[in-house]
Amino acid sequence: AQSVSQHNHHVILSEAASLELGCNYSYGGTVNLFWYVQYPGQHLQLLLKYFSGDPLVKGIKGFEAEFIKSKFSFNLRKPSVQWSDTAEYFCAVLARGAGSYQLTFGKGTKLSVIP
Amino acid sequence: EAGVTQFPSHSVIEKGQTVTLRCDPISGHDNLYWYRRVMGKEIKFLLHFVKESKQDESGMPNNRFLAERTGGTYSTLKVQPAELEDSGVYFCASSRLVGSGANVLTFGAGSRLTVL
Repeated sequence: AQSVSQHNHHVILSEAASLELGCNYSYGGTVNLFWYVQYPGQHLQLLLKYFSGDPLVKGIKGFEAEFIKSKFSFNLRKPSVQWSDTAEYFCAVLARGAGSYQLTFGKGTKLSVIP
Repeated sequence: EAGVTQFPSHSVIEKGQTVTLRCDPISGHDNLYWYRRVMGKEIKFLLHFVKESKQDESGMPNNRFLAERTGGTYSTLKVQPAELEDSGVYFCASSRLVGSGANVLTFGAGSRLTVL
């Protein structure tokens, strides 16, 4: 079965600091990769996705992620975070499960940005 | 387009009671999913509908959970009888069956269930 590992449970940064959140997955076949974000009091929103092609994908709000197939990784980056980026970030992989294609999530990383 | 709507946003019940959660997917989305996040743990897949049919219910914890999607529109998830370990946030998501949006799930705000 596929699994997703997010390296950090809670990250605290000052505004303007650079961000990199690690994500590794285990699955041998073709995968679609996602980062979702949940801002306080809001629902899960899609930040960016990778299906194929250029392994460097750009998402909303200045976020980007790089798919490195050899490392089974899909790390999320942002050059300069803002206070409004405070949220919980989830890496997810869409792959075939027991009966259908399922999204498998990591445990999430809480990001706190200090003004 | 309107998003995925879930009701109630928060439900507090006692152990042994019954709760029914409802999800209204985005209009035209034939795929409907239920996920659950127990506190401190990852968001886990429960089941997947394609229209009114259960495509995959491999994630359902046990037979106290019953999901339906009569008519292929909204879905309900009933927990009967509820146990303490059922507490968590239940997310619903939907997506198109075909096309570029088929593998992109849109999530609802979740229904928080607290079992006392």
